[in-house]
Amino acid sequence: KQEVTQIPAALSVPEGENLVLNCSFTDSAIYNLQWFRQDPGKGLTSLLLIQSSQREQTSGRLNASLDKSSGRSTLYIAASQPGDSATYLCAVSPPGGANSKLTFGKGITLSVRP
Amino acid sequence: GAGVSQSPSNKVTEKGKDVELRCDPISGHTALYWYRQSLGQGLEFLIYFQGNSAPDKSGLPSDRFSAERTGGSVSTLTIQRTQQEDSAVYLCASSSRRTAGELFFGEGSRLTVL
Repeated sequence: KQEVTQIPAALSVPEGENLVLNCSFTDSAIYNLQWFRQDPGKGLTSLLLIQSSQREQTSGRLNASLDKSSGRSTLYIAASQPGDSATYLCAVSPPGGANSKLTFGKGITLSVRP
Repeated sequence: GAGVSQSPSNKVTEKGKDVELRCDPISGHTALYWYRQSLGQGLEFLIYFQGNSAPDKSGLPSDRFSAERTGGSVSTLTIQRTQQEDSAVYLCASSSRRTAGELFFGEGSRLTVL
């Protein structure tokens, strides 16, 4: 059974710092990995999707990497801002193609201090 | 609208009553998912619809929970004889193979059972 772990559960950093959020998964047989952001009381917003054949994806100040063999992904946030404060979740999908149910980590709650 | 729409956004009900939660996915998305998020917990998979295939109901916690998807579009999640432990945010998402299965979530329906 796939398990996704995100440690630590919470993180507080000063504004401007570059930071790395970690995600690990137990079964390396995945189709893709997604990073999401969740603001309090809101749904999840997709940030980046990395397919199993890819090593990384970038969007603005965000960069996500994937190392399938070691069961790890990192989300790098450059020059953090208070507006980045939110919960960040990673999720993996099983092999078999797109449109499969995802297994989620419990998320990392990030607070960026002005 | 362009995104996943869920209603109601908030529902307060008394223990023992039945509730229906509605999800309107992104047009053209063949896959639709229901997840549950309890306070301080991760996302719990409930049920998954893919096109005309039989739904994956493996995450439904009890036979009080059921869901249907009519015409391959709108879905309704029904909880019968609600219990206090059913209190949670119920999130719906949809995806398409055209976008590698990237999940798009609605804002959720917050259910409170008194």
